[in-house]
Amino acid sequence: DTEVTQTPKHLVMGMTNKKSLKCEQHMGHRAMYWYKQKAKKPPELMFVYSYEKLSINESVPSRFSPECPNSSLLNLHLHALQPEDSALYLCASSPTSGGDHEQYFGPGTRLTVT
Amino acid sequence: GEDVEQSLFLSVREGDSSVINCTYTDSSSTYLYWYKQEPGAGLQLLTYIFSNMDMKQDQRLTVLLNKKDKHLSLRIADTQTGDSAIYFCADPGAGKLIFGQGTTLQVKP
Repeated sequence: DTEVTQTPKHLVMGMTNKKSLKCEQHMGHRAMYWYKQKAKKPPELMFVYSYEKLSINESVPSRFSPECPNSSLLNLHLHALQPEDSALYLCASSPTSGGDHEQYFGPGTRLTVT
Repeated sequence: GEDVEQSLFLSVREGDSSVINCTYTDSSSTYLYWYKQEPGAGLQLLTYIFSNMDMKQDQRLTVLLNKKDKHLSLRIADTQTGDSAIYFCADPGAGKLIFGQGTTLQVKP
């Protein structure tokens, strides 16, 4: 099973709302990633978790808060977002972080901030 | 810093071959990857090539690697309308996937 699942598929939220994105994988991968993707652009790395610890934060604003409750789950908590944060948010996993391992991507959550 | 570049758009007729090109700057990666993204979907790992190989063939897909010129290409034989998508090459240099800008492949019937 090479599947990464993400919920919800679509999310519309106001600038004062608090919401969470969820990601799950059961491949035994120990690295998980959050990416942000704008239309017609490549994904931009936001966060990397390695063995359930945050290893990379690409200078992401604090209104995005990642959490890795266990090796299979990854959350992204959202609070006080701006309209320019509207994008496709992709989760990915790989056997370990670093090195040359391929990453497996989920289908993404399409986020619209109003 | 590391950089990966691709042309932005390619249009072909159904049944023709498509060739998508990519250049990269980091030559230390063990693998190089091709991802496919269909409209409204996530990225699908399409294929990869080991850095000590010149060519890899996988059904309709052929990946060519020229390490001297740091040039990677993806050839799709007998291109179908279902191949219409954005194709990203990716270099896992320094432990982070560095993506090209993506090539939009348009397949005309």
